[in-house]
Amino acid sequence: GAVVSQHPSRVICKSGTSVKIECRSLDFQATTMFWYRQFPKQSLMLMATSNEGSKATYEQGVEKDKFLINHASLTLSTLTVTSAHPEDSSFYICSAPMAGGSYNEQFFGPGTRLTVL
Amino acid sequence: LAKTTQPISMDSYEGQEVNITCSHNNIATNDYITWYQQFPSQGPRFIIQGYKTKVTNEVASLFIPADRKSSTLSLPRVSLSDTAVYYCLVGDSGGSYIPTFGRGTSLIVHP
Repeated sequence: GAVVSQHPSRVICKSGTSVKIECRSLDFQATTMFWYRQFPKQSLMLMATSNEGSKATYEQGVEKDKFLINHASLTLSTLTVTSAHPEDSSFYICSAPMAGGSYNEQFFGPGTRLTVL
Repeated sequence: LAKTTQPISMDSYEGQEVNITCSHNNIATNDYITWYQQFPSQGPRFIIQGYKTKVTNEVASLFIPADRKSSTLSLPRVSLSDTAVYYCLVGDSGGSYIPTFGRGTSLIVHP
């Protein structure tokens, strides 16, 4: 099956610093990728839709200037959490359907655990 | 976007069959039903997808009645490793579909 990777898997940073999370589709092209955030014991909350070659679409309540998304190629999307604060500590997950494939079948990355001290 | 409703939690024992039902009363004609499994601290994993009647793969079966207002994920002979959260999603397969997760069902399999 298709594989999506995320890097890093875990990051600890100080408050006020910026953190970049990479999401890669390893064996397929993805014109669209989705970024989610998941707090403990809660469901996945969609943050934004990342579109290759164009601006990301953010969900209501998600600050686009704080969560910068770049989708520069058909296999890579990055999420940068700028000026991170402890409340940004969460599990960040990306997903992607195959380009031209069904959006119902999403391939998810393993997630990135962000801890802001 | 069709809203889904699932039981918050279920308990079972090893070797039993588990059926998790999802309600989606306002499912649209073009919508498919997709189930995902998520283990703690991992990304969700696609389990099965269907449109109507019954779909079976090596992991699970999906039963969808004629009115498509609900669906049931069936896990045969569960083991401890099936302890996870199971999510039901409904949407069309096109590029306008935004996969949105509900609360899911937390399944705990006991020895």
